[in-house]
Amino acid sequence: DIQMTQSPSFLSASVGDRVTINCKASQNINKYLNWYQQKLGEAPKLLIYNTNNLQTGIPSRFSGSGSGTDYTLTISSLQPEDVATYFCLQHSSRPWTFGGGTKLELK
Amino acid sequence: EVQLVESGGGLVQPGASLKLSCVASGFTFSDYWMSWVRQTPGKTMEWIGDIKYDGSYTNYAPSLKNRFTISRDNAKSTLYLQMSNVRSEDTATYYCTITTVVPFDYWGQGVMVTVSS
Repeated sequence: DIQMTQSPSFLSASVGDRVTINCKASQNINKYLNWYQQKLGEAPKLLIYNTNNLQTGIPSRFSGSGSGTDYTLTISSLQPEDVATYFCLQHSSRPWTFGGGTKLELK
Repeated sequence: EVQLVESGGGLVQPGASLKLSCVASGFTFSDYWMSWVRQTPGKTMEWIGDIKYDGSYTNYAPSLKNRFTISRDNAKSTLYLQMSNVRSEDTATYYCTITTVVPFDYWGQGVMVTVSS
């Protein structure tokens, strides 16, 4: 199985800050990496697919990058509505596996 | 609009069986692979498995393969998860998800399963 190591597990930032969240795969996942946002009490929502493709309706302040084993989600200017937990998912090979999550809070 | 509505959860005793359902609407159910994912109380996400659009093929997480079975009824636009011999570690929120462009592009609201005596 491919292990996904996500960091940090907790992040506190201020409105307007640039925020980055990382996921490292235990082997090359060929950019088959999605990012999800989960707000409290809600289902996860797809933000970015295949490393850097923004899902329809997602604000452009969200972006993704990476290759090989290392991937990053960036929020260019944090907004209050971005408070949530963020997960990465690799879909390079089954079993699909998730990162441990990053809980993002406002400072 | 894609809608996925799970049901069938609740409190169940260790060793029992439980069948979850997910009713889909807003898209042609029979065109897409579907999956089940669960999230533990500690927020860890785990893929359970998926099923081909025509129901002819399934994949499972190796650790769950012997106890969980995924099926679908395309005439009813419904996905199922049969859980058997449940354990305390199966306590989680279970989500039904769809693969249109990529895995898990849409999710249901989830259904809670608590395994306890």
